[in-house]
Amino acid sequence: DAGVIQSPRHEVTEMGQEVTLRCKPISGHNSLFWYRQTMMRGLELLIYFNNNVPIDDSGMPEDRFSAKMPNASFSTLKIQPSEPRDSAVYFCASSGLAGHNEQFFGPGTRLTVL
Amino acid sequence: ILNVEQSPQSLHVQEGDSTNFTCSFPSSNFYALHWYRWETAKSPEALFVMTLNGDEKKKGRISATLNTKEGYSYLYIKGSQPEDSATYLCASYYTGGFKTIFGAGTRLFVKA
Repeated sequence: DAGVIQSPRHEVTEMGQEVTLRCKPISGHNSLFWYRQTMMRGLELLIYFNNNVPIDDSGMPEDRFSAKMPNASFSTLKIQPSEPRDSAVYFCASSGLAGHNEQFFGPGTRLTVL
Repeated sequence: ILNVEQSPQSLHVQEGDSTNFTCSFPSSNFYALHWYRWETAKSPEALFVMTLNGDEKKKGRISATLNTKEGYSYLYIKGSQPEDSATYLCASYYTGGFKTIFGAGTRLFVKA
């Protein structure tokens, strides 16, 4: 298995633009997580899906952030409009039963908003 | 507010030294604890998943214990090697939505 796949690996955009980050989880995993890593706050859980359904989105910072999982093999995290303070590394991870099973992290997307 | 604390924040040891770190977490509604190893410029990699009080897990020179009643977990590294240099993260999971809280990590530096 190729592991969790994220794209793009790097994204540089200007303030106000829409940004879409993509994730393909490991086949057979039914839980998917989006995280954000910043120097100030460390690793934060943004949203968690179970069987394609959002279970906990309390970590999503504000309405500018949205996430979807239209099927078991694809998820997106969208920021619209983007702001410089959104600059961070965004990780996607997948696992079997959440909590019980280890999470496998993707390589991350490094987002820079100018 | 749920808060997971890790100590120490950073640790410098010599090759061959054994070391340990602490992860403290709220024990109410606890579900599971995960340990991850995170090398610079890479992604976190899972080391252990523990759920039961008294759990002990081992992988090579690394082992971990769990006390769910008092809310702490220890990670031990025996005979540290330079390749063990990384940040070690713990994450605690809670029932009621599987809220996940990560600690800030312990940064380990092993000098050859």
